[in-house]
Amino acid sequence: EAGVTQFPSHSVIEKGQTVTLRCDPISGHDNLYWYRRVMGKEIKFLLHFVKESKQDESGMPNNRFLAERTGGTYSTLKVQPAELEDSGVYFCASSQVVLTEASTDTQYFGPGTRLTVL
Amino acid sequence: DAKTTQPPSMDCAEGRAANLPCNHSTISGNEYVYWYRQIHSQGPQYIIHGLKNNETNEMASLIITEDRKSSTLILPHATLRDTAVYYCIASYTSYGKLTFGQGTILTVHP
Repeated sequence: EAGVTQFPSHSVIEKGQTVTLRCDPISGHDNLYWYRRVMGKEIKFLLHFVKESKQDESGMPNNRFLAERTGGTYSTLKVQPAELEDSGVYFCASSQVVLTEASTDTQYFGPGTRLTVL
Repeated sequence: DAKTTQPPSMDCAEGRAANLPCNHSTISGNEYVYWYRQIHSQGPQYIIHGLKNNETNEMASLIITEDRKSSTLILPHATLRDTAVYYCIASYTSYGKLTFGQGTILTVHP
């Protein structure tokens, strides 16, 4: 079974440009998460989708970031316009829906997209 | 989520057991303890989780103290490939969001 995939693996853009990151979760996983690590900092949560709905977007830094998950399959994270401080590694993770109290929401991460804003 | 505290770094000889401690003194009764690791340039990788009882899988063992205020991740026979940053996270299962701290940098040396 394929794991979480992310595209592109690297992206280098100029300040003010737009970049779109893509995440394909594990097939059948309804939960999809975005995280990022900026230089020297901890991995931070950005957003959580349950199917196509945004369950929690408390970690989105500002309105330059837009996440979508049309159809409840893959997700995109658009940064427009990009700023220098957006540089970092963006991770996507997915997990199955928690159906019972005995279930746990184990998240499986993709390899990340390294974004460099010049 | 409860705050966790881990030592910033640890060393371990290849083939020996690596014991990584984690303090979570404010953990609540329904928060699980999760362990993830991040090998250089890869995404975080799930290792194991537990609530009250000790747990073991093909990767590691998790020992949780009876009062649940601390836990230890055990890699029974560390290899060079286990060199990574290890994160201990306390999380409610229904919330989903994982709060990563600084973690412990484990270096396994020959």
